[in-house]
Amino acid sequence: AQKVTQAQTEISVVEKEDVTLDCVYETRDTTYYLFWYKQPPSGELVFLIRRNSFDEQNEISGRYSWNFQKSTSSFNFTITASQVVDSAVYFCALRANTGGFKTIFGAGTRLFVKA
Amino acid sequence: NAGVTQTPKFQVLKTGQSMTLQCAQDMNHEYMSWYRQDPGMGLRLIHYSVGAGITDQGEVPNGYNVSRSTTEDFPLRLLSAAPSQTSVYFCASSYRQGRANTEAFFGQGTRLTVV
Repeated sequence: AQKVTQAQTEISVVEKEDVTLDCVYETRDTTYYLFWYKQPPSGELVFLIRRNSFDEQNEISGRYSWNFQKSTSSFNFTITASQVVDSAVYFCALRANTGGFKTIFGAGTRLFVKA
Repeated sequence: NAGVTQTPKFQVLKTGQSMTLQCAQDMNHEYMSWYRQDPGMGLRLIHYSVGAGITDQGEVPNGYNVSRSTTEDFPLRLLSAAPSQTSVYFCASSYRQGRANTEAFFGQGTRLTVV
């Protein structure tokens, strides 16, 4: 069975602080994909990143960075120098190649960035 | 390019009524899914389809039916609405890119209230 756990329900930081959102996943597949999505207060879902199971390189995109560690089944997301516009719910998701192309989402982490 | 279009955006139903949530995509994507989003529970997969004529159940299929007669359309039917089906519903599509699976492209969501 596939499972995604985002243990942090809500996080509150002050602007310019760094913040890390945790994501732990479970799957028996050797080929799988991990995703992060952002849901701002307006409600739409915005794709942030995709990572496949064979690529453990960390990635940086502006103030965003992702740390993928297969040894701990984690795919954590860090925002550096947070801004008020980063306030949103962030979802981590998992799709395995077997199991019919299902994408399973975590419960999400709500991030509040205060000015 | 419209992407993924969901209609309606808002709907209020009485208990026992039936209705169909529409989802259409114009990107020729093979894969389509329906999710519901409830507070604190993230996105849960209701049903999904890997191509026209093929559908399968997700995590929470009870009370919902789907069909996929064309690549473009993937309607979600509530046969007898219940208050427990009050939620925000998202439709998503994606495709296979070589050996990789792309991220999901989401519609804007349908907010359904069952009274």
